[in-house]
Order: sequence, then C-alpha cells, then structure tokens
Amino acid sequence: EDQVTQSPEALRLQEGESSSLNCSYTVSGLRGLFWYRQDPGKGPEFLFTLYSAGEEKEKERLKATLTKKESFLHITAPKPEDSATYLCAVQEGGATNKLIFGTGTLLAVQP
Amino acid sequence: GAGVSQSPSNKVTEKGKDVELRCDPISGHTALYWYRQSLGQGLEFLIYFQGNSAPDKSGLPSDRFSAERTGGSVSTLTIQRTQQEDSAVYLCASSFPGNTIYFGEGSWLTVV
Repeated sequence: EDQVTQSPEALRLQEGESSSLNCSYTVSGLRGLFWYRQDPGKGPEFLFTLYSAGEEKEKERLKATLTKKESFLHITAPKPEDSATYLCAVQEGGATNKLIFGTGTLLAVQP
Repeated sequence: GAGVSQSPSNKVTEKGKDVELRCDPISGHTALYWYRQSLGQGLEFLIYFQGNSAPDKSGLPSDRFSAERTGGSVSTLTIQRTQQEDSAVYLCASSFPGNTIYFGEGSWLTVV
C-alpha cells in the first residue's frame, strides 16, 4: 500500500536557524513528489514537484531534494513568515493521478 | 478569478440534513479532485474526475457521499444525512492531467 510519512510532526526554529523536513515514501510507480505549504484556514499552496531521484528545486529560502525513498525540504535562514504546515504528497503511477499525502510538519519560526 | 473556487466557504448544518459543496476548477483543467481534511489529520482522497467521468471513487467513505461533474467544469459534492463525523474541511483541486494540482481554499463543514 502506498504510504507517505513526514517527520518531525512539529518543528520550532529561531529566525535564521536552518533545518530540514523529511518525507519518506513507499509507492508503486512514482509519477511525482509534491511539496505544499498550508497556512491556517487556507488550502494547500503548491511549492515544488520532483520527478526523479537526484532532482533538486529551489524557491527563495526553500530547497527540495529527492532520493528513491525520501525527499527533504531544506529551509535556509528561515523567517517568521515561513511558519506554516508543510505537506508532502506522492502521485501514483497509473490512471488515477491522485495524490497521497503525509500528515505534514508544522513549522514555527520565532523572531 | 484564476484559481480554484469553492462555495460555501463555511457551512453549519444540523445532523441528518443534506449538504452540497460546489467547486469551480481552473478554466481548462480537465482533472478535478475532492479531498477531506479533518482536524489534525492529513488530506484524505475522496474522488477523482477526468472530464465528467469519475474513474476513481475509491475514497468516498460511505454511500451517503456522492459527487458529480457537469460540462467538464463545475463539480458538486453531496453529503446526505450528515453525521457529526462528517465535520471537516472539504478541499477541491484541479489540474491538467499529470500536471501540477492546485487547491482551492476549502469548504469548512460543521455538523451540529
């Protein structure tokens, strides 16, 4: 069965303190791995899609990387406005195209 | 607007009543998804549409839940005889097949 596990469940950082969030997955035929950001009371906001092991993508202070079994979201010198829940999801191969989500990492960046 | 639009944004209903939630996908997106997010839980897949067809309904939790899509655009998720455990945020998303999936802001359902 396809499964996505995110760790840690919650992370508290000081402003400027870099860290990484982990997403490990098992899926039969990975079509893509997605990262989303979700603010309280809002829908998930798309950040990145990674398609193959070794791929990396960057956006401002965020960098996402992918291996055959896991993905990391690296946050460099975070700011309070980076505080949010970060969701990882895998897209199955086959006809459905649906995303299977992890439960997310709640990030709090303190000034 | 340019994004996925959902209505109502908030709905409070009495147990046993039926509710309808509406989703307007991004123009031109043929794929449409419904997800449910309960407090403190991850996003739970409900149903996937490609055009007006639903090739994957595997996530619908019971026969009280149904969804339809018309004109390859607007979709409606209907919950009959609502129960308290149906309280959640119902999220709609759309995409071109195989491309980035964009979410709406969700419909917050509270069953009292």
